[in-house]
Amino acid sequence: KAGVTQTPRYLIKTRGQQVTLSCSPISGHRSVSWYQQTPGQGLQFLFEYFSETQRNKGNFPGRFSGRQFSNSRSEMNVSTLELGDSALYLCASSNRAPSGSYEQYFGPGTRLTVT
Amino acid sequence: GEDVEQSLFLSVREGDSSVINCTYTDSSSTYLYWYKQEPGAGLQLLTYIFSNMDMKQDQRLTVLLNKKDKHLSLRIADTQTGDSAIYFCAERPLSGGYNKLIFGAGTRLAVHP
Repeated sequence: KAGVTQTPRYLIKTRGQQVTLSCSPISGHRSVSWYQQTPGQGLQFLFEYFSETQRNKGNFPGRFSGRQFSNSRSEMNVSTLELGDSALYLCASSNRAPSGSYEQYFGPGTRLTVT
Repeated sequence: GEDVEQSLFLSVREGDSSVINCTYTDSSSTYLYWYKQEPGAGLQLLTYIFSNMDMKQDQRLTVLLNKKDKHLSLRIADTQTGDSAIYFCAERPLSGGYNKLIFGAGTRLAVHP
């Protein structure tokens, strides 16, 4: 079974621009979560989508948004980029295992550099 | 509140056991996870434990959970150079809702010959 895929893997943007990142979850997984990883703040939860609805949101400004499509693929958008948005953006795909546990599998991430 | 703490660095000799420790604050956490991150890569799910368990073993990995002290540890037996990476502990608090994970800052494991 293919893992979580994220595109693009690397991106360079300038301040003020906007960016869209894409995530394809593991086949059959309906939940997609996004995280931001920076050296200073570590791993921080951005938001989670399930069946095309955002059902959980972290403490990030409104410039960060996302959506999920009917095939469970998800995109996140960052508008009016700031230097501090430079980070590794990780997408996680989740499903409830037969045991009842929740396993989250991460993609390789998109490295965003804002100049 | 939600907070996860880990020591930042651990150095071990190849063949020895490694023990990485983690403390968390949210007693409502239902699952606790260990992830591994190698340079330039995403997070690899290593193992996890349900909060009503106190131990879980999976090949070279042993997870111990002390719910009273909110302390989690990951023991890697016979540590190899390929185990060199950053290890993250994460909690899934009930109050966070659904699949929100709270991560520690990560422990960098260095394995030397």
